[in-house]
Amino acid sequence: GQNIDQPTEMTATEGAIVQINCTYQTSGFNGLFWYQQHAGEAPTFLSYNVLDGLEEKGRFSSFLSRSKGYSYLLLKELQMKDSASYLCAVRALNYGGATNKLIFGTGTLLAVQP
Amino acid sequence: DTEVTQTPKHLVMGMTNKKSLKCEQHMGHRAMYWYKQKAKKPPELMFVYSYEKLSINESVPSRFSPECPNSSLLNLHLHALQPEDSALYLCASRKGTGELFFGEGSRLTVL
Repeated sequence: GQNIDQPTEMTATEGAIVQINCTYQTSGFNGLFWYQQHAGEAPTFLSYNVLDGLEEKGRFSSFLSRSKGYSYLLLKELQMKDSASYLCAVRALNYGGATNKLIFGTGTLLAVQP
Repeated sequence: DTEVTQTPKHLVMGMTNKKSLKCEQHMGHRAMYWYKQKAKKPPELMFVYSYEKLSINESVPSRFSPECPNSSLLNLHLHALQPEDSALYLCASRKGTGELFFGEGSRLTVL
């Protein structure tokens, strides 16, 4: 089975840096994704890690440690528009390794304040 | 074209009705997904189609019936739903690198 945990809510200040953590326990791990979801909208892809280390993409960076079952998303130079839910999602191969499942974590609601 | 299109955007139905949700993508992706999302909760996986064949069913009740007529289309047929099935139903297609592209969703209300 899968177990993916994130903090429920976080608050940060415009212009600051915030780190959103994700811990997971899963069988057949095959990569970790971060998605952003604004209220009432569809999730949109932010980043992908399959190997250990840091992936940087503009103001967003994501880190993965497979041995620790841990990832974080780092958001720099926060803007008001970054207020959204951030979803950690683990890709796992199903039985037989034929198909990828993408299972979402509990999500973190980030509020950016002036 | 990098869109996943879902129709209808909103649907209200009674518990005895039969309705369908539709999803379409023209990105050439060969895997498509249905997720259910309740308010303030993450999306929950329901079904995965890979190369037009059902490859994953996450123990979804039979009142939800998926169908993949071709590689661009995915339907979700609804029959005899319960009020607790009211939710946002999200369709997604998967790029070769594993990234999912989501549609805007169909917001379902069951009376």
